[in-house]
Amino acid sequence: DAKTTQPPSMDCAEGRAANLPCNHSTISGNEYVYWYRQIHSQGPQYIIHGLKNNETNEMASLIITEDRKSSTLILPHATLRDTAVYYCIVRVGNSGYSTLTFGKGTMLLVSP
Amino acid sequence: GAVVSQHPSWVICKSGTSVKIECRSLDFQATTMFWYRQFPKQSLMLMATSNEGSKATYEQGVEKDKFLINHASLTLSTLTVTSAHPEDSSFYICSASGRPREPYYEQYFGPGTRLTVT
Repeated sequence: DAKTTQPPSMDCAEGRAANLPCNHSTISGNEYVYWYRQIHSQGPQYIIHGLKNNETNEMASLIITEDRKSSTLILPHATLRDTAVYYCIVRVGNSGYSTLTFGKGTMLLVSP
Repeated sequence: GAVVSQHPSWVICKSGTSVKIECRSLDFQATTMFWYRQFPKQSLMLMATSNEGSKATYEQGVEKDKFLINHASLTLSTLTVTSAHPEDSSFYICSASGRPREPYYEQYFGPGTRLTVT
């Protein structure tokens, strides 16, 4: 799977939008961009994924650049409970057998 | 609500003993289950992938005779750490995918099991 690059940490004020960047310059045409997050001492939680179009769900929005070499996860109104490590992962295809390779992620700290 | 459970949530065992961790899918048929390990301040590392009724596929560097994985049913997978040693102390996390969850290929993670070997 292609590797991703994320900043090690980011800060965000409560109520503001959190924009988490991810670079995946070697992504292949059949690889999707996935975002998970992990709150301390818990299992990861799926957030959103996309191939090339922007996506939005109840948790977040995913903006993928036209060349697909980078993406941004947007939490529109961050809360204290959004403090977590956020992982950007590229994954081959839509298969139940396709594995997830976790990098170091971005530690997002939301402050009052 | 949670769709994948793990038991126990934490366990302390003595060096040389074996410990079993259970991973259950609560409302779907987990045709594929994954086991990860996470050391403090590090990311998750995939240990093995198992498909129901088949032998698990282990990642390079993971000893299959030490970490025994059984996926005998569509709702249960177990990881047994045999002859545990202090260096096996870690956070073990399972994930599962399958129908009728939509999309079926999504991995849903359990809450993790904290293993401490003394």
